[in-house]
Parts: sequence; structure tokens; C-alpha cells
Amino acid sequence: DTAVSQTPKYLVTQMGNDKSIKCEQNLGHDTMYWYKQDSKKFLKIMFSYNNKELIINETVPNRFSPKSPDKAHLNLHINSLELGDSAVYFCASSQGGGSADTQYFGPGTRLTVL
Amino acid sequence: AQSVTQPDIHITVSEGASLELRCNYSYGATPYLFWYVQSPGQGLQLLLKYFSGDTLVQGIKGFEAEFKRSQSSFNLRKPSVHWSDAAEYFCAVGEPGGSQGNLIFGKGTKLSVKP
Repeated sequence: DTAVSQTPKYLVTQMGNDKSIKCEQNLGHDTMYWYKQDSKKFLKIMFSYNNKELIINETVPNRFSPKSPDKAHLNLHINSLELGDSAVYFCASSQGGGSADTQYFGPGTRLTVL
Repeated sequence: AQSVTQPDIHITVSEGASLELRCNYSYGATPYLFWYVQSPGQGLQLLLKYFSGDTLVQGIKGFEAEFKRSQSSFNLRKPSVHWSDAAEYFCAVGEPGGSQGNLIFGKGTKLSVKP
């Protein structure tokens, strides 16, 4: 069974559209994260959720909003998509929310904005 | 500001040869240190991590890394590379004792393996 899964794997859409990426973890972890990996493979954290509470929010445009219906899910909603949003988005989870906790990553969602 | 530098963008080694991937960090204190591997089309997988203690850390898949405080480095090594090791490798740092899992990643080193 996949520990951290994301859907869809690929997403191609037009500028201005609104889209969502889903993430689920079956590890029983308390914390989930979203990362963005740009075209140069640079990986940067966007959000993390611990017990439905946002504990990290880097300088991410407010067009991006994480939604956590329960501890096992952290979905990423993106409004008014822009060309610069094209990237690979990774979901991850960890048992705790500390920096010592190993993060387990999903396979990624490649978003292409045309 | 904290930062992680991986000086080599792309490295090619022959199968069976030894490997060393470099990682340098800039941090006020000794951070938590991690190496992750990303195989093509896959997510990241933790290879090993260092928090404190013995400066030589063993990881999965035959990898090891050595923390050198004087050089602010945490280089990844493997004595004999296999073709399946071809992947992207990321070094990352975390705040020691931090309550937030905010990892800072380097830009990665792509490893190619020649037969």
C-alpha cells in the first residue's frame, strides 16, 4: 500500500483556472506538508498542517490554500493559476511536526499551466 | 540566513566506482542534516540523517555521510555505485530541536551511472 499518495499525477490546465491536488497518507502521521519543486529542481516548503492547524506558511501567494478535512488528508487548492505555478508539487507527512521527524514524500504532481 | 549548497549539479561515475556528493551548509549552529534521494518520477526518500554524536552516519542502500563541523559539510559517500543509484540527491538542513519541520533543501546533484 502506498504510504503517501497524490492525485492527479499530472495536471495540465489554462491560466486563470482553479485546480486542486489531493494528498492522502495512511501512516497515521500527525503532520502533513506541501512542497513546490521548480524547473531547476529547487525544492521549497509551502505549508504544513499539524492536527488541522497550519504551523508553517512561507511566502506563498494567497492563491494557494491548503485544506485538511482530516488528519490523513491535506489538499492543495490553487486559484487563478499563473504560468509561474508550473512545477512539481510534493506532499509529505511525518509523525510529529519537528525538524527531527522523518518526512515521507508522495510521488509528486506535475502541474503545467498553459 | 540558513542555506544549503550542493556545488555539483551533475556527476557521472562508472558502475562500481566510488561516489562522493558534496554538501555545505550555512547555519548559526549545527543543524539537523539529511540526505534524500529522488529517483526519476518518484518522490523523495530519506537516505540518512544526522542529529548529534558519531559524525559518520550509515544510511540505507549502502550510503554513508560524514559530518565535519570545521568545514560545515555533510558529504554523502558510497564505496561502489550501482546503476540503480542513478537519481537526484538532495541535502537538507533542519533547525535543531525545532518544533517545525521546515527543511531547507539544496538544489540537488544529479547522479548518472555509466555501465
